[in-house]
Amino acid sequence: DSGVTQTPKHLITATGQRVTLRCSPRSGDLSVYWYQQSLDQGLQFLIQYYNGEERAKGNILERFSAQQFPDLHSELNLSSLELGDSALYFCASSVDDPGPYGYTFGSGTRLTVV
Amino acid sequence: SQELEQSPQSLIVQEGKNLTINCTSSKTLYGLYWYKQKYGEGLIFLMMLQKGGEEKSHEKITAKLDEKKQQSSLHITASQPSHAGIYLCGAEGMNRDDKIIFGKGTRLHILP
Repeated sequence: DSGVTQTPKHLITATGQRVTLRCSPRSGDLSVYWYQQSLDQGLQFLIQYYNGEERAKGNILERFSAQQFPDLHSELNLSSLELGDSALYFCASSVDDPGPYGYTFGSGTRLTVV
Repeated sequence: SQELEQSPQSLIVQEGKNLTINCTSSKTLYGLYWYKQKYGEGLIFLMMLQKGGEEKSHEKITAKLDEKKQQSSLHITASQPSHAGIYLCGAEGMNRDDKIIFGKGTRLHILP
């Protein structure tokens, strides 16, 4: 157990639907990062939050949004889902910047859009 | 933007053999991370390199960052089935903006 908890582990949904992925960071970590992993694109950075505030944005679609709550857990909302959104979504956390120990990753949520 | 290219994309080796995975950056590396991912699971941190010429080891895995800080290699000695998985290199942004950009990974299969 890495200390980063992601729920659910698996999610199957239909095109056009909306889903919410949840992440609880490791205790003491203030930064949360979301990544999308697909076979063709590899691990793509989506967005980062630090202590409740958005800090960096990557290749995140407008249909996707995220937030970090006062208790530091984070949610990634995916709407108007398309088949191409099927992927593994990872959450990672760190105290602040990655530093000498990098991020701690959760085990991911596998999203299948049918 | 910075890009990381890993080679080879896939590697099949006999158990007991040595192997090397390379990671090449389009820009100077300010922090280079190596992670291992078991298929369909999360990423496990292996090590981080920062200084040109730096070399670190973790069990039978050794990684090195070249002097010019644009390439890193990961070497596994006497490979075992437990080494199978996807190895990803990641780099901090040039502006130290916290996020790590990853290469596409090298899939390693170990034949018994």
